[in-house]
Amino acid sequence: QKEVEQDPGPLSVPEGAIVSLNCTYSNSAFQYFMWYRQYSRKGPELLMYTYSSGNKEDGRFTAQVDKSSKYISLFIRDSQPSDSATYLCALRSTDYKLSFGAGTTVTVRA
Amino acid sequence: NAGVTQTPKFQVLKTGQSMTLQCAQDMNHNSMYWYRQDPGMGLRLIYYSASEGTTDKGEVPNGYNVSRLNKREFSLRLESAAPSQTSVYFCASSEAVPTSTEAFFGQGTRLTVV
Repeated sequence: QKEVEQDPGPLSVPEGAIVSLNCTYSNSAFQYFMWYRQYSRKGPELLMYTYSSGNKEDGRFTAQVDKSSKYISLFIRDSQPSDSATYLCALRSTDYKLSFGAGTTVTVRA
Repeated sequence: NAGVTQTPKFQVLKTGQSMTLQCAQDMNHNSMYWYRQDPGMGLRLIYYSASEGTTDKGEVPNGYNVSRLNKREFSLRLESAAPSQTSVYFCASSEAVPTSTEAFFGQGTRLTVV
């Protein structure tokens, strides 16, 4: 069983819809929770991070962490065609091991 | 500011050949990572180095070796390439401090083993 599970999708939504992405994890040593965005043929780039349970907002993006359930989510409100990309959850443990989910490919249709 | 630089960008190997992928960062980061990315499987950690002088296995270390040459450089070696190692390889670096979580990635190396 992988340490980080993420449904690879793909996910296709109309412009303006809410996109919901999530990951589950099994290792309690993960203390930092991140979402990366990756465009085709590029390296991933950090989108958001948090280290505590609860919600964190940044513009149209909301990251949610539930440590008790080992569940993290990313919500994109008012999605735009420019949001079309692969979104990867990433978790870092206290020994700086950085593990990624499989990534979910999102397409926002104009 | 170059960030994380990987060489080469593309490589074709024959089965059984060896090669070393090079990675260098100029951000004075302590931690460095090697990942492979395959369709539908996301980024899988091969090896990581939390700090200069240390290396640890990740999720898929078999068939690979690494060397943390100094604080800037972290190389990945394939001793006897196999078709199953055809993939896109990414190197990344980050600060090894609790308050800094961002990892910076190179542009990737596309490796094909025939």
